[in-house]
Amino acid sequence: GAGVSQSPSNKVTEKGKDVELRCDPISGHTALYWYRQSLGQGLEFLIYFQGNSAPDKSGLPSDRFSAERTGGSVSTLTIQRTQQEDSAVYLCASSRTSGTSGGHGEQFFGPGTRLTVL
Amino acid sequence: GEDVEQSLFLSVREGDSSVINCTYTDSSSTYLYWYKQEPGAGLQLLTYIFSNMDMKQDQRLTVLLNKKDKHLSLRIADTQTGDSAIYFCAERGTGRRALTFGSGTRLQVQP
Repeated sequence: GAGVSQSPSNKVTEKGKDVELRCDPISGHTALYWYRQSLGQGLEFLIYFQGNSAPDKSGLPSDRFSAERTGGSVSTLTIQRTQQEDSAVYLCASSRTSGTSGGHGEQFFGPGTRLTVL
Repeated sequence: GEDVEQSLFLSVREGDSSVINCTYTDSSSTYLYWYKQEPGAGLQLLTYIFSNMDMKQDQRLTVLLNKKDKHLSLRIADTQTGDSAIYFCAERGTGRRALTFGSGTRLQVQP
């Protein structure tokens, strides 16, 4: 596709329910990132994929958060037993490379999924 | 850990120059970025600067980097109402893939 797409654009759920957020990166981009933007905050890194592997999961806030990537393309971020503090905009980004071997590895961002936990 | 700080709000009049400032703590930063976020839209990369540069100009945008003071600024010349948005400063350290973002500066352009 032309850009990074994310679905759903909005998700309202009840505390304690599980949610799945989807990201479709730009075709051919090997690196994929998940970030979270809470109200009035900057973006907080969650997890990074290179291909289907996740060499950096250091930003996942708890074991309720997990993510996977299949076929080197689509990624799903799953939040189990959602809490009110999980309410945020979840942003996905992709880049052609990870940028560590030269070049700045520009990250292209999707429009985000706004998650509201009641 | 790494930290990036920005002021929260800036208001300018149309046609004036805007200067948005950012400070960071990671001395190993290799690239520094400015992103723009408009309501309902994803982040758009405006410009970036490599850490061995001290200035980069791109049309109305000028980025200044003071590596000694770990200070980055974005100057927008002839600011227009369409420049109203939130501007995020971000940095990437050596060997890291993820970006560390500031909390964003909301630029309001008054006609």
